[in-house]
Amino acid sequence: QSVLTQPPSVSGAPGQRVTISCTGSSSNIGAGYDVHWYQQLPGTAPKLLIYGNSNRPSGVPDRFSGSKSGTSASLAITGLQAEDEADYYCQSYDSSLSASVFGGGTKLTVL
Amino acid sequence: QLQLQESGPGLVKPSETLSLTCTVSGGSIRSSSYYWGWIRQPPGKGLEYIGSVYYSGNTYYNPSLKSRVTISVDTSKNQFSLKLSSVTAADTAVYYCARLATGSYYVYWGQGTLVTVSS
Repeated sequence: QSVLTQPPSVSGAPGQRVTISCTGSSSNIGAGYDVHWYQQLPGTAPKLLIYGNSNRPSGVPDRFSGSKSGTSASLAITGLQAEDEADYYCQSYDSSLSASVFGGGTKLTVL
Repeated sequence: QLQLQESGPGLVKPSETLSLTCTVSGGSIRSSSYYWGWIRQPPGKGLEYIGSVYYSGNTYYNPSLKSRVTISVDTSKNQFSLKLSSVTAADTAVYYCARLATGSYYVYWGQGTLVTVSS
C-alpha cells in the first residue's frame, strides 16, 4: 500500500487528453511538499517529467503538465502519442515518515 | 553529462547481506547541493525509496528498511554504497542509484541492476 495513491491504469486514444491523479494526505502533499512526476518506459530507469508540481525539465514536451491542489496532484498529457505508453509515478516527501515517498504507479495505454 | 552506474552481485542468498556500489562519473560526489540515493523496484511493482547520503556521510533511511540498511560514501572513489542485511525473497528487485536535486527529486538515475535473492 503506497502512501501516495494513483489509479493502476488509464487509457486514451491518440490525440486525446488524459490525466493521472496522485492522492496524498496532510503529512505529504497536503503539508505543502512538492510533487514530482516520472515516466518509466519498459526496461528503463524512470525519467523526470515534472518537478516542483508543475515545472518541466529541459527537453520534456509541453504536452506534459502538472498541477497540485490540497492533498492531491495531477499529471495531464495532451495530444496523446503512442510513445507516451509507459508507467507514470508521482513522488513527494512525507513528514511523518521523514522519507521520500512514491505513488504506486499508473500504466498508460494508448489505444 | 553526469552518469551513475550500479555494480554488485546479481544473486544473493537468503539471510545474507546485499551490497551494491554506485560509481559517479562526469561530476563530483562532493557537490554541496546534492544528496545521493538508492531506490528499488520489485519485478512488476512500483518504486520504493531506500535511503540517501550526503558527501559528508549524513544519511536518511526509509523507516521500513532502516534496521537493515546502511548507506555510505567514498569521496576518494566518487562512489556511494548500499548494504541491506538479512535479505529475503521480498528484497528481490531492480536497484537504482540516483542523484537528488535540492527540491528532493531525482534527475539523474543509474540504469539499474537486478538483484535476486535465492538459494
